[in-house]
Amino acid sequence: DAGVIQSPRHEVTEMGQEVTLRCKPISGHDYLFWYRQTMMRGLELLIYFNNNVPIDDSGMPEDRFSAKMPNASFSTLKIQPSEPRDSAVYFCASSLLWDGQGVKRGTGELFFGEGSRLTVL
Amino acid sequence: AQSVTQLGSHVSVSEGALVLLRCNYSSSVPPYLFWYVQYPNQGLQLLLKYTTGATLVKGINGFEAEFKKSETSFHLTKPSAHMSDAAEYFCAVTEPNSGYSTLTFGKGTMLLVSP
Repeated sequence: DAGVIQSPRHEVTEMGQEVTLRCKPISGHDYLFWYRQTMMRGLELLIYFNNNVPIDDSGMPEDRFSAKMPNASFSTLKIQPSEPRDSAVYFCASSLLWDGQGVKRGTGELFFGEGSRLTVL
Repeated sequence: AQSVTQLGSHVSVSEGALVLLRCNYSSSVPPYLFWYVQYPNQGLQLLLKYTTGATLVKGINGFEAEFKKSETSFHLTKPSAHMSDAAEYFCAVTEPNSGYSTLTFGKGTMLLVSP
């Protein structure tokens, strides 16, 4: 079974440009998470979705960041306009807790993608 | 609220030596506990987890961890380090108060293995 798929793996852009990062979670998973990792701050949770609905976006740094999950198999994280301090590795992760019948199937274990390394010049 | 403390941002061992990475957690209720490993330029991958039952859990690559409720600890060990174990290791916790839906991660410990 394919894991979490992220694209692009690397993105280099100039300050002020719009950046869109994409994620395909593992099929059947009901939670999706976006994390950011930097040397200074470590691993930060930005936002997470349950069944495509945003649950907690308190980690989103500012209004320049937005995330959407239009369906169960796709999510985007957008930065507009981008700034040099946004340079980081962005991870998408998914997990399975409950199945379609409301039966608990998972333990909260996260499956991570390979990450998207963003460099803003 | 749940939290995780990993003692030591860097741990250095010689190849063949015991690996011990420390993790203490704070949780008001019995948690689920995880160890993840991150190799350079890769995502995090699960090493092992504790949910219920046996407190000594075994994971991949010869690692194991023991849940000690009285000490609120979940230390990661491996009897003999290998060069390929050099990576960053993260301890994480989740609990029923969050519906087990979100993990709280420690700041990570970089394991350095010398020949």
